[in-house]
Amino acid sequence: DTAVSQTPKYLVTQMGNDKSIKCEQNLGHDTMYWYKQDSKKFLKIMFSYNNKELIINETVPNRFSPKSPDKAHLNLHINSLELGDSAVYFCASSLFRTGTLGQFFGPGTRLTVL
Amino acid sequence: TQLLEQSPQFLSIQEGENLTVYCNSSSVFSSLQWYRQEPGEGPVLLVTVVTGGEVKKLKRLTFQFGDARKDSSLHITAAQPGDTGLYLCAGATGYSTLTFGKGTMLLVSP
Repeated sequence: DTAVSQTPKYLVTQMGNDKSIKCEQNLGHDTMYWYKQDSKKFLKIMFSYNNKELIINETVPNRFSPKSPDKAHLNLHINSLELGDSAVYFCASSLFRTGTLGQFFGPGTRLTVL
Repeated sequence: TQLLEQSPQFLSIQEGENLTVYCNSSSVFSSLQWYRQEPGEGPVLLVTVVTGGEVKKLKRLTFQFGDARKDSSLHITAAQPGDTGLYLCAGATGYSTLTFGKGTMLLVSP
């Protein structure tokens, strides 16, 4: 069974479009995250949710809107896509809200904006 | 802002060699984690260290947390091609999420 799954794996779209990425975890964790990994492999936190409540919202354009319908799901919607949004987006989950004992990552969604 | 500096950024070695990767900060962390990321996949947690001076071993990998809980090292003995990947360290504090280093890309050639 996959612990943290994301769909789609690849997403190619035109500038200005709106797209969504879905994430699900079956680990029973309370906390979920969205990260962005740029071309230099730097992993940067975007959002963190604890039991459906937003607890971390880093400096991210408001074109990015996360939604957590329940604690096992965290989706990311992106409006008016820009070239600079091209990156790999990772969903992750952890048992504790600070991720102190480790986070479990999904396989990533490679977003390419043309 | 907590920063984690990893060195080296890139390491290319032959199978059978030993290597050490370093993760340094001026901040104190409650725990420090090491992840390995292979191409096209997400990072996978290797180990978490929580006590200053702690040493953990995972087969040929040895992880150490600095006494002051500001730094960590990862030592690989007799590296194999399967060890190839991006190694990331990440530090946790009590009230914020993880801070990741920029990673060390390891390439082990047969």
